Amino acid sequence: GDSVTQMEGPVTLSEEAFLTINCTYTATGYPSLFWYVQYPGEGLQLLLKATKADDKGSNKGFEATYRKETTSFHLEKGSVQVSDSAVYFCASGSGNTGKLIFGQGTTLQVKP
Amino acid sequence: DGGITQSPKYLFRKEGQNVTLSCEQNLNHDAMYWYRQDPGQGLRLIYYSQIVNDFQKGDIAEGYSVSREKKESFPLTVTSAQKNPTAFYLCASSVGLAVYNEQFFGPGTRLTVL
Repeated sequence: GDSVTQMEGPVTLSEEAFLTINCTYTATGYPSLFWYVQYPGEGLQLLLKATKADDKGSNKGFEATYRKETTSFHLEKGSVQVSDSAVYFCASGSGNTGKLIFGQGTTLQVKP
Repeated sequence: DGGITQSPKYLFRKEGQNVTLSCEQNLNHDAMYWYRQDPGQGLRLIYYSQIVNDFQKGDIAEGYSVSREKKESFPLTVTSAQKNPTAFYLCASSVGLAVYNEQFFGPGTRLTVL
């Protein structure tokens, strides 16, 4: 079945460092891909999405490109801030059920 | 402000008891969802509903039940048949079921079975 795999955390970075969180997926067909962020004690918020191959999603300085050839959707940010500390989830979805397949989440901690 | 509310934030239950988690949205969304989140794991879908009086099982529906009597409300009951109910429960809604529609999440309810 469909699945999403993320790099294991926690990821600890200093402020202004470059961030990459790897995400790969397996799916039949061509799913839509998402990155969600969860701040401590809160629900998830959509960070960015891409619905077809080669699309780039971007928001708040974060970017991810839908790579069909490598079945990947890696999250990047050029300069992280302490306020970016959170858990990041990669997810894929297809069809008309609204069902999303989530990765296990990657915790990011940014130190001043 | 539009959004999704879940109550209570923390819930404690004795083994053998049923408990109901509330989820309300004022976004006028047709679709609603319940997810379960366990430490170090992603979210898993319990139930989802496309319209009033209709709902479908997700991947881990056993031991749970839902109702959808009103568009804005989608309560989840955790029954005594659920073997390991301690978890963080998240409700979400979207305009429709198509996967490209953004799902908006509530703040969650943390259930602990004593």
